Amino acid sequence: DAKTTQPNSMESNEEEPVHLPCNHSTISGTDYIHWYRQLPSQGPEYVIHGLTSNVNNRMASLAIAEDRKSSTLILHRATLRDAAVYYCTWNSGNTPLVFGKGTRLSVIA
Amino acid sequence: DAEITQSPRHKITETGRQVTLACHQTWNHNNMFWYRQDLGHGLRLIHYSYGVHDTNKGEVSDGYSVSRSNTEDLPLTLESAASSQTSVYFCASSEFPVLDTGELFFGEGSRLTVL
Repeated sequence: DAKTTQPNSMESNEEEPVHLPCNHSTISGTDYIHWYRQLPSQGPEYVIHGLTSNVNNRMASLAIAEDRKSSTLILHRATLRDAAVYYCTWNSGNTPLVFGKGTRLSVIA
Repeated sequence: DAEITQSPRHKITETGRQVTLACHQTWNHNNMFWYRQDLGHGLRLIHYSYGVHDTNKGEVSDGYSVSRSNTEDLPLTLESAASSQTSVYFCASSEFPVLDTGELFFGEGSRLTVL
């Protein structure tokens, strides 16, 4: 069974906000939620991570549900450069990150 | 600037040959990882290491081996390449346990074709 469930693809208009959902129903209380993205022909790159509280950084915001079984990555104003595959995952302790298939985000000019 | 580099970036080999993909990082990170990426499968963990002389198997380790003789390098060896190992391979590293920093640094990838 997959650790996380994400839509295969999403589409957004340029300069509009994007909400990328992720379900992680088997997560436990001490597991961190991580988001990475992969631009075309590049290796994945870190976006954001969090435990319980909502988190913000220069790239995005992470909204974590109160029961922690789902989270949403928020890109406040999508640009063409945000077109990528976005991966949601979680881990505990020092276990390696395991990635699913992610969500392919298309941004329309 | 510190970085993580993979070589070769592209390689074509024949079934049955031994292949080694190199991964070198200059951050002095203890943790290093190898993933493969195939259409329809996302990223899958092959092997990982938490320090010199430490190696661990991941989800898809059969047919692959790694060794960690220093902090900077984690070479991935395919002992006898098979067509099923045609893939894009990514190396990654992190300094602290991933949950502490949340940041895994990836290389640019090595595209391997096994004919």
